[in-house]
Amino acid sequence: AQSVTQLGSHVSVSEGALVLLRCNYSSSVPPYLFWYVQYPNQGLQLLLKYTTGATLVKGINGFEAEFKKSETSFHLTKPSAHMSDAAEYFCAVEDTGTASKLTFGTGTRLQVTL
Amino acid sequence: NAGVTQTPKFQVLKTGQSMTLQCAQDMNHNSMYWYRQDPGMGLRLIYYSASEGTTDKGEVPNGYNVSRLNKREFSLRLESAAPSQTSVYFCASILYAGDEAEQYFGPGTRLTVT
Repeated sequence: AQSVTQLGSHVSVSEGALVLLRCNYSSSVPPYLFWYVQYPNQGLQLLLKYTTGATLVKGINGFEAEFKKSETSFHLTKPSAHMSDAAEYFCAVEDTGTASKLTFGTGTRLQVTL
Repeated sequence: NAGVTQTPKFQVLKTGQSMTLQCAQDMNHNSMYWYRQDPGMGLRLIYYSASEGTTDKGEVPNGYNVSRLNKREFSLRLESAAPSQTSVYFCASILYAGDEAEQYFGPGTRLTVT
């Protein structure tokens, strides 16, 4: 069964600092990978996704992620944090061999301080 | 195009009461999903429907039933609510376009069972 591990349930960065949110997955076949953001009391919004092709994926709001098969990782980064980035971030994996079911990580809450 | 809509937004039930959470999408998607979100546990799949007329269990189906009324609507029913079902419930639908896959989430239903 596939699984997703997000290291660090809480991450705090200063405004302007690098954001790095870690995600590792286990999958028996090449997966699709997703990052979602959730603002307080809202649903999930897709930030970016990797399906096939280029391993460096750019998403909305200046975020990007790199698929590294050898490390089974899909870490999310942003060069310079903004106060508006404070939210919860979820990594998810979809096993391409199954019927379109996403498995989510437990989430990382990002705090941005002045 | 309203995307994925859910009703109600909030609900309080007493133990043993029943209720149905409604979900509808206007994007002509084939597949629809119900997730629950609990603190520190990410989103867990309750049930899904790959196409109209079919439903399958996800990771945590016990205590729930679903009905795919038509292509647009996918409802989740709690026959006898328990405090362990206090959670935020999200409905989602999926779009496939070639190798691309994307899930759209509703705004959520916050359910409290006392």
